[in-house]
Amino acid sequence: DVKVTQSSRYLVKRTGEKVFLECVQDMDHENMFWYRQDPGLGLRLIYFSYDVKMKEKGDIPEGYSVSREKKERFSLILESASTNQTSMYLCASRGTGIPTQHFGDGTRLSIL
Amino acid sequence: AQTVTQSQPEMSVQEAETVTLSCTYDTSESDYYLFWYKQPPSRQMILVIRQEAYKQQNATENRFSVNFQKAAKSFSLKISDSQLGDAAMYFCAYRSAFSNTGKLIFGQGTTLQVKP
Repeated sequence: DVKVTQSSRYLVKRTGEKVFLECVQDMDHENMFWYRQDPGLGLRLIYFSYDVKMKEKGDIPEGYSVSREKKERFSLILESASTNQTSMYLCASRGTGIPTQHFGDGTRLSIL
Repeated sequence: AQTVTQSQPEMSVQEAETVTLSCTYDTSESDYYLFWYKQPPSRQMILVIRQEAYKQQNATENRFSVNFQKAAKSFSLKISDSQLGDAAMYFCAYRSAFSNTGKLIFGQGTTLQVKP
């Protein structure tokens, strides 16, 4: 089974802090994704990566950046956290040629 | 741009009964994938069922089946013999077969309550 692990289930940070959300997958997948989940809006794509050091913006990239230095790890960075970034963040991975994405357990992030 | 709509924010069903969750989508593409994901209170998104648009036959996984109406752009999920463990939020999602990103476009979600 594919295992996608997000480093924190809950995280509380302060406005203006730099925040790192980490995601690791164990299936050698090329593609990794960061989504944000908000009530009534479903999941929206923030960024994705299709290879090491390669990244592309999703639908709502403003205020976020990402890093992929190793194939198994994909980090989401909030450069200067703001209260409107309080949300649930979900990481996913997918092998090339396979349509299904596999998700982590999510990180519930609160910005105070 | 493609969109996915789930018009039922909440549904409830009696244990052992059948429930249908609705999903409609909008696309101009001819080839794509549709998914139903389940998110229980434990929060991990689990794939329930997948349908390829080029396949006319409706996908089935044990108690879960879909009614895929391509012309109507409708993709409903039927859960038969509902169990308490089916209680979760269910998301419908679309993925273009032509997308190099493989990104999923999600609906708003439907919270399913199962009553004992």
